Amino acid sequence: AQTVTQSQPEMSVQEAETVTLSCTYDTSESNYYLFWYKQPPSRQMILVIRQEAYKQQNATENRFSVNFQKAAKSFSLKISDSQLGDTAMYFCAFMKRNAGNMLTFGGGTRLMVKP
Amino acid sequence: DAGVIQSPRHEVTEMGQEVTLRCKPISGHNSLFWYRQTMMRGLELLIYFNNNVPIDDSGMPEDRFSAKMPNASFSTLKIQPSEPRDSAVYFCASSLGTGSNSPLHFGNGTRLTVT
Repeated sequence: AQTVTQSQPEMSVQEAETVTLSCTYDTSESNYYLFWYKQPPSRQMILVIRQEAYKQQNATENRFSVNFQKAAKSFSLKISDSQLGDTAMYFCAFMKRNAGNMLTFGGGTRLMVKP
Repeated sequence: DAGVIQSPRHEVTEMGQEVTLRCKPISGHNSLFWYRQTMMRGLELLIYFNNNVPIDDSGMPEDRFSAKMPNASFSTLKIQPSEPRDSAVYFCASSLGTGSNSPLHFGNGTRLTVT
């Protein structure tokens, strides 16, 4: 079974600054995918970024980028130029390849962006 | 694209009553997932369907919970009888295919309160 750990329950950052959210996972699989989801106060779960484990290049989506360290089983999310709208819960998630698209989530990190 | 539609958005019921949560997946998606979110346990997968067939229901807490998917455009999660510990946010998600090129799209969730 896979486990996903987010060791930072809460974080805060000043608007326009950069923040990094941590995620580690444990798996014996070699082919898998990793995701970050954002959950704002509206409760909707929004896909932020995803990474294929077989790709060495770190994924980026505008102000969001990841630092994927496969050997260390680490998958951190960097948010650059933080905006007030980035205030949300952020969940790291693991998906085993060819296993029905099931996601295993971490416990989440609550991010507060301060003006 | 209307996204995944869940109803109701909020449900308050008394212990012992039957509760039915509803989900309409994105048209064309053939995988559907029910997740439960609580403060204590985070996001847990309850059950998932592929092509309307339940594939993995190992996350269903107990016999009081049941899920159906009578057709490709509708699914229900039923709790009978409900208990206060069932209070949570229940998410439905859908995806196209079973490869991770098709991420999960979540509905806005149903907040269930059992008194």
